[in-house]
Amino acid sequence: DTAVSQTPKYLVTQMGNDKSIKCEQNLGHDTMYWYKQDSKKFLKIMFSYNNKELIINETVPNRFSPKSPDKAHLNLHINSLELGDSAVYFCASSQGGRGGDSNQPQHFGDGTRLSIL
Amino acid sequence: AQKITQTQPGMFVQEKEAVTLDCTYDTSDPSYGLFWYKQPSSGEMIFLIYQGSYDQQNATEGRYSLNFQKARKSANLVISASQLGDSAMYFCAMRGDMRFGAGTRLTVKP
Repeated sequence: DTAVSQTPKYLVTQMGNDKSIKCEQNLGHDTMYWYKQDSKKFLKIMFSYNNKELIINETVPNRFSPKSPDKAHLNLHINSLELGDSAVYFCASSQGGRGGDSNQPQHFGDGTRLSIL
Repeated sequence: AQKITQTQPGMFVQEKEAVTLDCTYDTSDPSYGLFWYKQPSSGEMIFLIYQGSYDQQNATEGRYSLNFQKARKSANLVISASQLGDSAMYFCAMRGDMRFGAGTRLTVKP
């Protein structure tokens, strides 16, 4: 049983396109996150939602828009893709706290590798 | 703002030996916590261990333990009896704004 699932696993697209990455968790957690991992493996938090409410909104271009239809889903939509958006995007979830303020570990999805041509 | 630092880009250890991966942090919050994650070459992120600032003892989890020194603001991960499968990237992260360190690539030599 997959705990945090992201789709698609790979996404190859042209510059300027709009794309979405979906994330679902079946752990009953109330907090979900999006991270970006660049080619140097640096992992940076982008957004965090707690019970559908935006908690952490790091400085990311407004071309990135998270959407949480319910607490089990947190999708990431990216407009006007640029070369610098190429990275691995991780979704994660955890229980308790608001945003990252929980002593419960995050459970990560397998990542979505986004490549911009 | 919280800050978290891993100063070792890469580390090597002989199989069956112990290794320490460094993590220092800076925060003004009296209550905080630190997580360690492992990322093998396959890419998934695996939770290893958590240390809370008010925990009475250093955290341990199997072969993983934390050398937690509040005064020095360090939470170093100790892996005992290294195995080939321990070769991976290791990240520490701070509870709260969930900032991650830059990571340390550990290579275990046979």
